Amino acid sequence: DAGVIQSPRHEVTEMGQEVTLRCKPISGHNSLFWYRQTMMRGLELLIYFNNNVPIDDSGMPEDRFSAKMPNASFSTLKIQPSEPRDSAVYFCASSLSGGYQPQHFGDGTRLSIL
Amino acid sequence: QKEVEQDPGPLSVPEGAIVSLNCTYSNSAFQYFMWYRQYSRKGPELLMYTYSSGNKEDGRFTAQVDKSSKYISLFIRDSQPSDSATYLCAMSEYRGATNKLIFGTGTLLAVQP
Repeated sequence: DAGVIQSPRHEVTEMGQEVTLRCKPISGHNSLFWYRQTMMRGLELLIYFNNNVPIDDSGMPEDRFSAKMPNASFSTLKIQPSEPRDSAVYFCASSLSGGYQPQHFGDGTRLSIL
Repeated sequence: QKEVEQDPGPLSVPEGAIVSLNCTYSNSAFQYFMWYRQYSRKGPELLMYTYSSGNKEDGRFTAQVDKSSKYISLFIRDSQPSDSATYLCAMSEYRGATNKLIFGTGTLLAVQP
């Protein structure tokens, strides 16, 4: 079975550029989560969707960050303009909804903003 | 104060040792408790989960939850070099259709052959 697929795996770009991270959740999963992981702050939830609708975006750090889920099989996280402090590993996870369901993570996008 | 506290380690043990990993939390509404394992440059993978208090065993792994003390543990028996990874605890309240997880910062474990 294909797991959560994220692209690109690595991204290096200069400050001020737009960055778009992509995620394909596991087929049939209807909840999708975007996380950011840093050494200092650990794994932080940025936003999550249920049935393609954003439910909680309270973790999005500021207006430079936006996320969309146009359909059940694709989501994007965009940073515009990017800043060096955005450098981190960004993970996407998906799960079934209802009761407790485990979240399945992709292997992340390692983002470096110079 | 963070909702979930976890000792970052690193923790280094010899092969065959018993490993104890722990987290404390402050939110008494947490009901689901999970342990994820994360290998270098990979995403976290679910190792174990428990609901409310009690113990759960799966092979060499045992998860314990003490809600009265707001304390959870993961024990690894007969540790192997392949257990070397970062272990993340995670917790959630059950609210409707989707569980929002709060993660600890992770403990880095190295099992020496």
